[in-house]
Amino acid sequence: AQRVTQPEKLLSVFKGAPVELKCNYSYSGSPELFWYVQYSRQRLQLLLRHISRESIKGFTADLNKGETSFHLKKPFAQEEDSAMYYCALTGPGAGSYQLTFGKGTKLSVIP
Amino acid sequence: KAGVTQTPRYLIKTRGQQVTLSCSPISGHRSVSWYQQTPGQGLQFLFEYFSETQRNKGNFPGRFSGRQFSNSRSEMNVSTLELGDSALYLCASSFTGGGGTEAFFGQGTRLTVV
Repeated sequence: AQRVTQPEKLLSVFKGAPVELKCNYSYSGSPELFWYVQYSRQRLQLLLRHISRESIKGFTADLNKGETSFHLKKPFAQEEDSAMYYCALTGPGAGSYQLTFGKGTKLSVIP
Repeated sequence: KAGVTQTPRYLIKTRGQQVTLSCSPISGHRSVSWYQQTPGQGLQFLFEYFSETQRNKGNFPGRFSGRQFSNSRSEMNVSTLELGDSALYLCASSFTGGGGTEAFFGQGTRLTVV
């Protein structure tokens, strides 16, 4: 069974400090990994996905197949980064689109 | 371009009733997925429709059903409502629903069962 684990419910960091949101997954095969973010009173939106290898709003995430992890990192946290972050996965290829989400980590950036 | 639209935004129903939720995807998107979000269980996949066919289904009882129309709009129905069905129901649309495809989410319908 596929599963996504985000061990921290809440993460508080000071502005300017580095941020790392942890995500570990369980999947038989090669999944597609995503990070979604939900800002206060806004809809859930895609932050980044591993296949595009982009850096969005200063965030990066590297897929580590050996450790089955996809941690989200940012070198210097900003107040506007405060939000709920969800790690998610789906199977590769068309016809298998079922996002499995972690329970989310609430990031609070202290000014 | 308009985003994913879900109606209604809020619903209050009593136990035993049934409810229908609606989702209009982004124009051109053919895949619509539904998710239930609760504080205890988080976001859980209900089902996915593509070109009017249910392509994937999560682990929910048969009281939860859905359909998709030829214009890709989708409805979700819950019959014989239980208190535990109180949740935020989200739908998401994507172009093909294939792996790696971005899913765009609606604002959700907040269902309260009393």
